[in-house]
Amino acid sequence: GAVVSQHPSWVICKSGTSVKIECRSLDFQATTMFWYRQFPKQSLMLMATSNEGSKATYEQGVEKDKFLINHASLTLSTLTVTSAHPEDSSFYICSARDRGTSIEAFFGQGTRLTVV
Amino acid sequence: GNSVTQMEGPVTLSEEAFLTINCTYTATGYPSLFWYVQYPGEGLQLLLKATKADDKGSNKGFEATYRKETTSFHLEKGSVQVSDSAVYFCALSRGNTPLVFGKGTRLSVIA
Repeated sequence: GAVVSQHPSWVICKSGTSVKIECRSLDFQATTMFWYRQFPKQSLMLMATSNEGSKATYEQGVEKDKFLINHASLTLSTLTVTSAHPEDSSFYICSARDRGTSIEAFFGQGTRLTVV
Repeated sequence: GNSVTQMEGPVTLSEEAFLTINCTYTATGYPSLFWYVQYPGEGLQLLLKATKADDKGSNKGFEATYRKETTSFHLEKGSVQVSDSAVYFCALSRGNTPLVFGKGTRLSVIA
């Protein structure tokens, strides 16, 4: 299947700093990428939909100024957590759809963010 | 709106036992249905999918059949292994919209 690479797989940062997470589709082009947040032992919460070359669409309750999403190319989307706080600590997962099939989504391995 | 309901976990089984994880959905039209698996500390992997009524998705001994009459997509495996221990998510999508996930079912298989 198609491969989505997410980097870093884990990161620890200090309160007030910003952290960037990258999501790359390695062997396909993705016009649409999705960013999720997952709390311990819970399901995935969709944060935003990222479309190549346009502004991301954020779900209700997600602060767009805090979670900056950029989808500059057909293979790369980034999520930047700005001015991170301990409550932002979570597991963040991206997924991407192959522009050719647009049926199934492929997921990155996730990023464990810990803000201290 | 679209939604997915799957059985609450955790589910604990002995090795070689039969597994069923129930999943039902609510959606307009004809969604595509998926089962994803998440191993500890990892992202989600597509386990199987079905795109139309009566389709059967299968992979690694797991199966699920798209039943439109009962709006269900139950996951089954005849003989589970310890390595199947993970969280399983049922999901649906329509067109290019984001996946809608169930809450996940944690499976623990003991030797």
